[in-house]
Amino acid sequence: DVKVTQSSRYLVKRTGEKVFLECVQDMDHENMFWYRQDPGLGLRLIYFSYDVKMKEKGDIPEGYSVSREKKERFSLILESASTNQTSMYLCASSFLAFQDTQYFGPGTRLTVL
Amino acid sequence: AQKITQTQPGMFVQEKEAVTLDCTYDTSDQSYGLFWYKQPSSGEMIFLIYQGSYDEQNATEGRYSLNFQKARKSANLVISASQLGDSAMYFCAMREGGSGGYNKLIFGAGTRLAVHP
Repeated sequence: DVKVTQSSRYLVKRTGEKVFLECVQDMDHENMFWYRQDPGLGLRLIYFSYDVKMKEKGDIPEGYSVSREKKERFSLILESASTNQTSMYLCASSFLAFQDTQYFGPGTRLTVL
Repeated sequence: AQKITQTQPGMFVQEKEAVTLDCTYDTSDQSYGLFWYKQPSSGEMIFLIYQGSYDEQNATEGRYSLNFQKARKSANLVISASQLGDSAMYFCAMREGGSGGYNKLIFGAGTRLAVHP
């Protein structure tokens, strides 16, 4: 079974703090993704990575950055957290070309006060 | 323009009955993929079923089937014999382009399904 894990299920931070969300997958997947989920908006892609040290902006990258130093790990960074970044963050991974399905982690519910 | 439209914010169904969750999509690509995911209250997105644009038969996975009507650009999820554990949010998603490349998914807003005993 594919397993995608995220470092925290719930996180509370203050405005202006630097926040790291970690995601690890154990299936040697090429692609990794970060989404945020807000009620009525579905999932929106923040960033994705198709290889180590490679990254591409998604639909809403502003205020976020990412890091992929190892194939299995993809980090989402909020350089200076703001209240409008309070959301559910979901990480996903998938094979490149051979398998289209994205497998998701359990999500991190981030609250910025 | 909305790429994926789920017109039902919420649905109710009686246990053991079948239910259809609607999804329409918009794309000019000939090659694309359609997915349904389930998200229970625990938060994890669970992959349910996949339909490729060139697949001639409707996809089925156990109690889940995808009613794919290409000309109408619809990809409705049918859950047969609903169970209480089916209560969750359901998301329809589309991957544009072929199976190579970066397979970005575009998600609909979701439908919340409640199964009543």
